[in-house]
Amino acid sequence: AQKVTQAQTEISVVEKEDVTLDCVYETRDTTYYLFWYKQPPSGELVFLIRRNSFDEQNEISGRYSWNFQKSTSSFNFTITASQVVDSAVYFCALGGMTTDSWGKFQFGAGTQVVVTP
Amino acid sequence: DAGVTQSPTHLIKTRGQHVTLRCSPISGHKSVSWYQQVLGQGPQFIFQYYEKEERGRGNFPDRFSARQFPNYSSELNVNALLLGDSALYLCASSYSYEQYFGPGTRLTVT
Repeated sequence: AQKVTQAQTEISVVEKEDVTLDCVYETRDTTYYLFWYKQPPSGELVFLIRRNSFDEQNEISGRYSWNFQKSTSSFNFTITASQVVDSAVYFCALGGMTTDSWGKFQFGAGTQVVVTP
Repeated sequence: DAGVTQSPTHLIKTRGQHVTLRCSPISGHKSVSWYQQVLGQGPQFIFQYYEKEERGRGNFPDRFSARQFPNYSSELNVNALLLGDSALYLCASSYSYEQYFGPGTRLTVT
């Protein structure tokens, strides 16, 4: 069975501080995708980043960066120089790569990020 | 291009009633997935439809059903509503591995 664990329930920071969100996953699939989504108070899930299981290169996109380590089944996400608009719930999700498995995401419980001025 | 649209935005129902939620995917997307998000939790997978056929079903009772139409829009039906069905119901459309989510329908069962 697939499982995604986000151990941090809530993280509070002051604006301009960096925020790192932890995600640990379990899957028996050898190939898969990992995602981070943001859910502002409006409720809509906003896609942020995607990483496939066979590419462990860590990247930076603007103020977002991610650290994928297959050996420890972790996919951590960092927001650099946080802003008040970053306040939201962040979800880590695991998705399949085969035609039978994509479209059925396993989400973590989410981490509430609160950025204060 | 328009994103994923869902209707209605909010809905209040009484226990035992039936509800139908609707979703229109992004143009060109043939797959629609439904998720239930209870307050304070992550979304839970309910159904996926691709080319009008059910591709997968999550751990939900038979009171939950869905279908996809020739234009790829989809309906989620829930019969005999329980208080525990109160949640945000999210629809996601996809062309491939990424899913794009709609704004959701917030269902309250009283």
